[in-house]
Amino acid sequence: GNSVTQMEGPVTLSEEAFLTINCTYTATGYPSLFWYVQYPGEGLQLLLKATKADDKGSNKGFEATYRKETTSFHLEKGSVQVSDSAVYFCALTAPGNTGKLIFGQGTTLQVKP
Amino acid sequence: SQTIHQWPATLVQPVGSPLSLECTVEGTSNPNLYWYRQAAGRGLQLLFYSVGIGQISSEVPQNLSASRPQDRQFILSSKKLLLSDSGFYLCAWSVGQPTDTQYFGPGTRLTVL
Repeated sequence: GNSVTQMEGPVTLSEEAFLTINCTYTATGYPSLFWYVQYPGEGLQLLLKATKADDKGSNKGFEATYRKETTSFHLEKGSVQVSDSAVYFCALTAPGNTGKLIFGQGTTLQVKP
Repeated sequence: SQTIHQWPATLVQPVGSPLSLECTVEGTSNPNLYWYRQAAGRGLQLLFYSVGIGQISSEVPQNLSASRPQDRQFILSSKKLLLSDSGFYLCAWSVGQPTDTQYFGPGTRLTVL
């Protein structure tokens, strides 16, 4: 079946540090891949997405590349800010289904000044 | 631009009481609509989805139900709440192909006591 595995958190970084949150997936066919971010007490916001192999999604300094050979979609940012503190979810939708988003467990990021 | 509303924002209900959560989308027509639940320590789980008025599909059997009385309105209900129904309920919408991006509402925090 389809699944998403994220690195366990929490991840604690100092401001301006480099961020990597690992995400790997299992899916039939060619899924679309997403990163969502959830700030405390809020809903999910789309951070970036990629719909085919080797695509790079980017937004607000965050990047992730769709790697089919390693079935990965790792999230990176070169210099994190305190305002990036949130929970990050990797997710996929698989072709042929109803658009059901399958989420990883989420990774909490805490950035300290 | 499209917006999605959910209400109430927070709700505290006793066990055995009924439930009605509402989600409305503005600025688009014939959206796909989704209800997800985020329970503590269990990630995000799709509960229901709808591709049109009166069309509801359930992903997880439980004591919840959903209805879509209008094109841009999606309602989550229960006749008798259980303690295990506590969680953060998120509504989402998309248009076009099922694998297209889903956009989430602000969520409803439900506590069943």
